[in-house]
Amino acid sequence: EDQVTQSPEALRLQEGESSSLNCSYTVSGLRGLFWYRQDPGKGPEFLFTLYSAGEEKEKERLKATLTKKESFLHITAPKPEDSATYLCAVNYYGQNFVFGPGTRLSVLP
Amino acid sequence: EAGVAQSPRYKIIEKRQSVAFWCNPISGHATLYWYQQILGQGPKLLIQFQNNGVVDDSQLPKDRFSAERLKGVDSTLKIQPAKLEDSAVYLCASSLAPGTSGSQETQYFGPGTRLLVL
Repeated sequence: EDQVTQSPEALRLQEGESSSLNCSYTVSGLRGLFWYRQDPGKGPEFLFTLYSAGEEKEKERLKATLTKKESFLHITAPKPEDSATYLCAVNYYGQNFVFGPGTRLSVLP
Repeated sequence: EAGVAQSPRYKIIEKRQSVAFWCNPISGHATLYWYQQILGQGPKLLIQFQNNGVVDDSQLPKDRFSAERLKGVDSTLKIQPAKLEDSAVYLCASSLAPGTSGSQETQYFGPGTRLLVL
């Protein structure tokens, strides 16, 4: 069964302390990998889509990268407003989105 | 551009009661999804519609859950009878055209309906 795992489960950073979140997936017909941000009490908000190994996307303090087995979401000099749960979802050929459990990020001032 | 709309935002019911959720997707989006998100977990797909036809309902508990998308626009998800384990957030999402590359397959989510079954 195709699986999506995310690590760490939770991460606490000081403001300005850069770090990375990981999303790992089983390799069997990946069509695309999606990153979402979810704030408490809200639906997931789309951030990035990655389709091929080596691809990178950037938005403000966030950069997403993709390899053949995993994706990283790099957060550079985070601010408290970056605190949220970050979800990755994998779209496999012939299947719908499979979401990981998410990483809860807290950025302390 | 208006986003995905959902109502109600919150619902509290007792077990064995019935409940219905409504979703209106982004205008022009042919595909609509219903997800269940249990606290601390990622969303799990319940059902996918393409226009008014069901594409995937393999994870929908059909003995108690039902969904329809009449006229290929808005959709209703129903639970009857509800169980305690149905307490979750029910998310609706829509996309232009799944199975394609680029922005057309990106799913956009509504705010969700928070259900508590007592």
